[in-house]
Amino acid sequence: AQTVTQSQPEMSVQEAETVTLSCTYDTSENNYYLFWYKQPPSRQMILVIRQEAYKQQNATENRFSVNFQKAAKSFSLKISDSQLGDTAMYFCAFMKGAYSGAGSYQLTFGKGTKLSVIP
Amino acid sequence: DGGITQSPKYLFRKEGQNVTLSCEQNLNHDAMYWYRQDPGQGLRLIYYSQIVNDFQKGDIAEGYSVSREKKESFPLTVTSAQKNPTAFYLCASSPSSRLEETQYFGPGTRLLVL
Repeated sequence: AQTVTQSQPEMSVQEAETVTLSCTYDTSENNYYLFWYKQPPSRQMILVIRQEAYKQQNATENRFSVNFQKAAKSFSLKISDSQLGDTAMYFCAFMKGAYSGAGSYQLTFGKGTKLSVIP
Repeated sequence: DGGITQSPKYLFRKEGQNVTLSCEQNLNHDAMYWYRQDPGQGLRLIYYSQIVNDFQKGDIAEGYSVSREKKESFPLTVTSAQKNPTAFYLCASSPSSRLEETQYFGPGTRLLVL
């Protein structure tokens, strides 16, 4: 079974600064996908960024980028130029690739990191 | 507007009562999912459906049931057998059941036991 660990229950960052959220995972699979989701106070889960394990290039989406270290099974999220609207719970999630047998298409989530952006 | 809708936003259940949470999507997505979120926890998969008239148990299916009679709809019933139903329930969908497509979430339903 896959596990996802987010070791930082809470973090804070000054507005306009940069913050990095950590995520590690454990799997024996070679084909998989990793995601970061954001859950603001409204509780709507919003996709932030996605990484395919077979891609060596780190994914980026505007101010959000990841540092994907496959050998270390690490998938950290960097938020640059933090904004007040970035205040939210951030969840790291793992998905087995297709044709990986039981559990394919299922997301396994970490417990989340609560990020507060301070004005 | 395309999206995923869940209703109601808040739901109250009495002891011994079955309740049904609605999830509808107009994104033409094949796959749909139900997750449960408890305080301080990540999401846990209850049931998922990759195609109409077919669904699979997730990690915590006991005390829940689902149906998938239409592509757009995937209702979740919380039965009286679920002894601790108080939680936030999230429905999600993804475009294809064959590919590793990103899951998109609805706004959620909060279930409380009276």
